[in-house]
Amino acid sequence: EAAVTQSPRSKVAVTGGKVTLSCHQTNNHDYMYWYRQDTGHGLRLIHYSYVADSTEKGDIPDGYKASRPSQENFSLILELASLSQTAVYFCASSPTGSQNTLYFGAGTRLSVL
Amino acid sequence: GEKVEQHESTLSVREGDSAVINCTYTDTASSYFPWYKQEAGKSLHFVIDIRSNVDRKQSQRLIVLLDKKAKRFSLHITATQPEDSAIYFCAARNNYAQGLTFGLGTRVSVFP
Repeated sequence: EAAVTQSPRSKVAVTGGKVTLSCHQTNNHDYMYWYRQDTGHGLRLIHYSYVADSTEKGDIPDGYKASRPSQENFSLILELASLSQTAVYFCASSPTGSQNTLYFGAGTRLSVL
Repeated sequence: GEKVEQHESTLSVREGDSAVINCTYTDTASSYFPWYKQEAGKSLHFVIDIRSNVDRKQSQRLIVLLDKKAKRFSLHITATQPEDSAIYFCAARNNYAQGLTFGLGTRVSVFP
């Protein structure tokens, strides 16, 4: 069974602090994605990666960095967390890009205070 | 870029009836239209998709229709059951973009 694991499951951060969200997949998938979910906005793509050591900007990359040190791991980094970054963050993987099924992790609920 | 509008924000249906969720998209180049389901407190999982080379696809009680002229696609959940209660997201993707563009979601509630 495909598995995408996110950590932490929830986090409270202070404004201006650094936050790192981690994602690990055991699917042997090339593509990994970070989405955020907000009430009224649905899911929006932040960053994605199709190979280790390379990341690409999605639709809303401002204020976020991504890191893909290996095929299995994909991190989302908020260098200076802001109130507007309070949201639920989902990591997903897919074998050959998003014209194939996305497998989502359980999500990380981030509250920035 | 692509925009996907999901027309129903909530839908309440009696068990056994059908639920229909409608989505429209803006990019004529979009060619892949998946649907995802999110149950309460859980993550999203894929339920069904349709590609632009067909106009209808069925998987058990789920039917997806695609009208490319109108840039509209819809999910029909037939013979609804309590376990169909969830938020359903439509999405679209074209061949040159990465990532899916999602609609805002439709909360479907099935009552007895």
